[in-house]
Amino acid sequence: EVQLVESGGGLVQPGGSLRLSCAASGFTFRSYAMSWVRQAPGKGLEWVSAVSGTGGSKYYSDSVKGRFTISRDNSKSTLSLQMNSLRAEDTAVYFCVKDQSLWFGIDAFDIWGQGTMVAVSS
Amino acid sequence: DIQLTQSPSFLSASVGDRVTITCRASPGTVGSLAWYQQKPGKAPKLLISSASTLQSGVPSRFSVSGSGTEFSLTISSLQPEDVASYYCQQLNTNPHFGGGTKVEVK
Repeated sequence: EVQLVESGGGLVQPGGSLRLSCAASGFTFRSYAMSWVRQAPGKGLEWVSAVSGTGGSKYYSDSVKGRFTISRDNSKSTLSLQMNSLRAEDTAVYFCVKDQSLWFGIDAFDIWGQGTMVAVSS
Repeated sequence: DIQLTQSPSFLSASVGDRVTITCRASPGTVGSLAWYQQKPGKAPKLLISSASTLQSGVPSRFSVSGSGTEFSLTISSLQPEDVASYYCQQLNTNPHFGGGTKVEVK
């Protein structure tokens, strides 16, 4: 069964850091680009960051550029998101998603994790 | 950046009705879109990917049309299980989503 399981969410103070992880199983992880998509409470979907299947290309939305870092470990089938300088507006459920392609920006997101909640508040 | 505007943001229709959700791109055009369905409390699910490909298991009552700046998702006969929010997404390296359309059954 194809599965993505996120972990690492929680409550953090503004300016703090958090690292999200996503464990993938059931498919050849290195063959697909991966992304993080978030959803603030009661709001729509916002793409956050992506990495190509090889890990050689990384992409960020303007809202997180310079603060978040995406990485992947193809030997362990894991995706990570290091989030620094967190702000209240980063509060959201963060979904780990699998791309349909090796390369980002070509195809859709066909597999989604259940999400992990990040709350930024003092 | 190209933004996607979905309309309506909310719609209420009866079982069996034909409903259409529109996704408009501005400024400029997008090459292709994907469409997602998100039921309350659940992760989004890919309905239709690039080249208007219906994903496995998605009922044939779902279809898409359009190109360039205006795209549509149509449910030919609304069913109770279609209650959800629907999102379009542009397929490029800035894969923004539309704001979403919440569909309710009367």
